[in-house]
Amino acid sequence: AQKITQTQPGMFVQEKEAVTLDCTYDTSDQSYGLFWYKQPSSGEMIFLIYQGSYDEQNATEGRYSLNFQKARKSANLVISASQLGDSAMYFCAMRDLSNDYKLSFGAGTTVTVRA
Amino acid sequence: DAGVIQSPRHEVTEMGQEVTLRCKPISGHDYLFWYRQTMMRGLELLIYFNNNVPIDDSGMPEDRFSAKMPNASFSTLKIQPSEPRDSAVYFCASTPPRGIRGKNEQFFGPGTRLTVL
Repeated sequence: AQKITQTQPGMFVQEKEAVTLDCTYDTSDQSYGLFWYKQPSSGEMIFLIYQGSYDEQNATEGRYSLNFQKARKSANLVISASQLGDSAMYFCAMRDLSNDYKLSFGAGTTVTVRA
Repeated sequence: DAGVIQSPRHEVTEMGQEVTLRCKPISGHDYLFWYRQTMMRGLELLIYFNNNVPIDDSGMPEDRFSAKMPNASFSTLKIQPSEPRDSAVYFCASTPPRGIRGKNEQFFGPGTRLTVL
């Protein structure tokens, strides 16, 4: 069974600063994918970034980057130059790539950006 | 392109009533997922389909819940009879066939907020 742990229920960050959201996972699979989603107060789920377990480089998408440490089974999301619009809940998720399309989600981290 | 479409966006009903939630996935996507989100339990996968066939319904809480996908462009999640503990946001998501490096992000609909009184 896969398990995703997000230990930070809530975080505050100053506008224009960077913030790191922690995500650790537990799996015995060798081939898996890691995803981050954003859920603003309006409720929709927005895909942010993806990292495959065999990817040699950390994924980046604009101001989002993923600090992937395979040996430690962590996939932390870094948001650089925080903006007020980044205030939202952020979910880490994982999928076994070998035979399953299901996503396992963490409990989420609420980020509040202060002006 | 239209995203995943869900209806209704909000539903308020009384305990014991039948509730039907609807979803239209993105055209060309061959996987469809139904999730439920609550404060207590977070995001839970209820059931998912591949090419209109249910693959895994192990997350469906009980027999009161049923889901169908009669064609590639439509799915329903039905609760009969509904109970107050079914109050949640229900999301539908779809994903395309496997992409590069296994990346298949799920595209979520806006959700249906269900309140059972």
